[in-house]
This record gives sequence, structure tokens and C-alpha cells, in this order.
Amino acid sequence: QTVVTQEPSLTVSPGGTVTLTCASSTGAVTSGHWPKWFQQKPGQPPRALIYTATNKHAWTPARFSGSLLGGKAALTLSGVQPEDEAEYYCLLHYDTAWVFGGGTKLTVL
Amino acid sequence: EVQVVESGGGLVQPGGSLRLACAASGFTFRTSWMHWVRQAPGEGLEWVANISPGGDGEYYVDSVKGRFTISRDNAKNSVSLQMNSLRTEDTGVYYCFTDAGYWGQGTLVTVSP
Repeated sequence: QTVVTQEPSLTVSPGGTVTLTCASSTGAVTSGHWPKWFQQKPGQPPRALIYTATNKHAWTPARFSGSLLGGKAALTLSGVQPEDEAEYYCLLHYDTAWVFGGGTKLTVL
Repeated sequence: EVQVVESGGGLVQPGGSLRLACAASGFTFRTSWMHWVRQAPGEGLEWVANISPGGDGEYYVDSVKGRFTISRDNAKNSVSLQMNSLRTEDTGVYYCFTDAGYWGQGTLVTVSP
């Protein structure tokens, strides 16, 4: 069974920079996994941020960026705002299925 | 304006069935992969199924194979999830989303005796 691993929690100061990562139990994450990133705040549906590792949706704030880093997918937030406090999920594609990571709870403190 | 609206959730007994629907508008539905994702109370997201733009490819998470069926009607801009032999562990909010990044608000499915 394929497992996608994210940091359970991270804390960042307002204005700071933080990188969330997404690892695959099958090996290095590549663009072929079509990595996606989502943000979810309590009581709300997820919001798509990044697709195919690095591409932003029209509504994605400029401070969010996606990359492939050291065999993992990564989401970097630069100039973190208080409203960025949320749960973040990555999603990877495997042949005929997709698998979510367990999510990273980002605290802005 | 893009809209994605799920419906059809509710309370059902174990072993029962439900059919979820997702109505979409404001984007090119017929060229979009469509997904169903669920979230158990207090838990993370779980990908459930998706369907290709033409409806000729359907894929499922192992835990629902043989019990759930995804389908779409491109003439009506809708996608459905037929859920049979429901189990308590199928309880959660079910979301519909597209590869274009649009999500619905979700519909709650509760499987309980």
C-alpha cells in the first residue's frame, strides 16, 4: 500500500518562510506524480493551490510556490500571513489511483 | 461563475445504498477529469474515485472497489457516485472536485445502525 508522508505540524512566524514537503513510499516524487497541493481551513472545503508540482491556479496567492526538492514535492510559503494558518494536503498520482498525504497543520505564531 | 454542488448525502444503515450527485457549471466540464474525495470526521482527505473526460476510464481506491461506481453525464454537466454495501467507515463528507481546481462544499454521508 502506497503511503504519502507529510510533516504532521509546522510553526512559522508571521512574515517568515516555511517549506512543507510530501514524500512517497515508492521512491522519489517526480513530475509524473502530478503533485497537487490544497489548503483547508476548519469548516471549509479544500482549496486548490498548486498543480503538476509547480503551477499555480489563478487564485493562488503569489507567496505560495511549488517545487520538487530532494526527491519530494514541496510547498513554500514566503512572507507568511496569519490567514495562512490551515491544514495543507498534497496529492500524488500513481498509475490508476491518487493518494493524499496525511496533511500538515501549519500554525502561524 | 464556477459552481460545483454536491447532493444526495444522508443517513443510511450499514449495507444500504446512496447515490451522490455533483452538478457543475462555469467551466468546460466535458474536458475535465472529475474526482470524488471524502473526509471522515476529524480526519484527513481520502481520494475515492475519478472518471476521465469521456467517461471511458474509472478508477477507485481499493477500499471501495466493487461497491462504488462513478459515472458522468457530459450533456448535463454532472457526475455521480453510486455507493452500495455501505459500511460505517464510509461515513464522512464527500467532495467533488475537478482537475481545474474547483471544489464543491461537500455532502455528508453517515452510515450508522
